[in-house]
Amino acid sequence: EIVMTQSPATLSVSPGERATLSCRASQSVSSNLAWYQQKPGQAPRLLIYGASTRATGIPARFSGSGSGTEFTLTISSLQSEDFAVYYCQQYNNWPPNFGQGTKLEIK
Amino acid sequence: EVQLVESGGGLVQPGGSLRLSCAASGFTFSSYAMHWVRQAPGKGLEYVSAISSNGGSTYYANSVKGRFTISRDNSKNTLYLQMGSLRAEDMAVYYCARAKPPGIAAAATDYWGQGTLVTVSS
Repeated sequence: EIVMTQSPATLSVSPGERATLSCRASQSVSSNLAWYQQKPGQAPRLLIYGASTRATGIPARFSGSGSGTEFTLTISSLQSEDFAVYYCQQYNNWPPNFGQGTKLEIK
Repeated sequence: EVQLVESGGGLVQPGGSLRLSCAASGFTFSSYAMHWVRQAPGKGLEYVSAISSNGGSTYYANSVKGRFTISRDNSKNTLYLQMGSLRAEDMAVYYCARAKPPGIAAAATDYWGQGTLVTVSS
């Protein structure tokens, strides 16, 4: 199984600032990488797939980059609604494992 | 509007069984692979199972293989998860999710239900 490792576990950022979240795969997953946002009591929401393609309705302040084993999710100017837990997921191989999550909190 | 509505969760004793359902609407259900993903209280997301659009191929996480069975009824637009020999570590919110084409098992998921809670306790 491919192991996904996210860093940091918690990220404290002020509204309006940029947030950069990292995700590493234990082996290459090509560009088969997705990012999800989850708020308390809610289901995850797909943000990014194919490492860099925004899902339908996702604001342009969310961007993804990377390929192979190293990936980044960038939120260019944090809004209050962006504070949540973010998960990366590889879907190159079964099972399409998730990382352990990064909690983005208000500084 | 795409909607996925899970049901069937509840309290079950260790060793017991439960069947979850996921009613789909707002899209052509028979054209999409579907997944079950779970989340233990306060923990991260874990893949459970996946099924192809026609039900001909199924996939399971090692942790549930031999105990859980995924199935679907395309005439009823419904996905199922039959869970048996339940353990304390199976306690979680179970989500159904739609696979983003062209993926089947290894796929991103673009729509999720609200989840149903399974509690395993004596």
